[in-house]
Amino acid sequence: EPEVTQTPSHQVTQMGQEVILRCVPISNHLYFYWYRQILGQKVEFLVSFYNNEISEKSEIFDDQFSVERPDGSNFTLKIRSTKLEDSAMYFCASSAMRGSGRTSYNEQFFGPGTRLTVL
Amino acid sequence: DQQVKQNSPSLSVQEGRISILNCDYTNSMFDYFLWYKKYPAEGPTFLISISSIKDKNEDGRFTVFLNKSAKHLSLHIVPSQPGDSAVYFCAARDSGGGADGLTFGKGTHLIIQP
Repeated sequence: EPEVTQTPSHQVTQMGQEVILRCVPISNHLYFYWYRQILGQKVEFLVSFYNNEISEKSEIFDDQFSVERPDGSNFTLKIRSTKLEDSAMYFCASSAMRGSGRTSYNEQFFGPGTRLTVL
Repeated sequence: DQQVKQNSPSLSVQEGRISILNCDYTNSMFDYFLWYKKYPAEGPTFLISISSIKDKNEDGRFTVFLNKSAKHLSLHIVPSQPGDSAVYFCAARDSGGGADGLTFGKGTHLIIQP
């Protein structure tokens, strides 16, 4: 069964450094998302991406964050200058087109996550 | 501002019995609801969903009920199995936007007792 993959599984970085988290969404999906979960808190939406542009972003997704789809398979989240409070699990998700059958665009499928630790 | 609320942080159920997980929402624009299951160190796994035009959706051992007037939904698992022990998240979205993000509850940790 197709699945979303994410690399690395764990990233440790120093405060102020740039990090890039990578995701390979399910191949026939067209909508892509990033979420984060700070330890002990709920999963929070960061950004959605469709047709090579940001579709929606939350208040968390400030100028320090950016997303890119550099080729036909990868979807990346960049944090330009990491802060201690950026430490969290970051989840990538993808969903399909409306009318694609059982898997509708409403149902988002998540990757295993990248644990980001900022020291 | 908790738009999706799961008021029970944990729930313990005997194996073979029914597990009922509850979720309330406040945003009347939500029109699609999903349940996810999450094991430690893994991403959320999609379980079952329901559109606001329905009041019930069933998939094997999992049934989701939606009461729009009460802004309440529940997930029933029957019979409960040891592998069902996990954190269950209720999520909702306003599907009018096309690529809107999901709003999650804080989760309920379901523990199935042998």
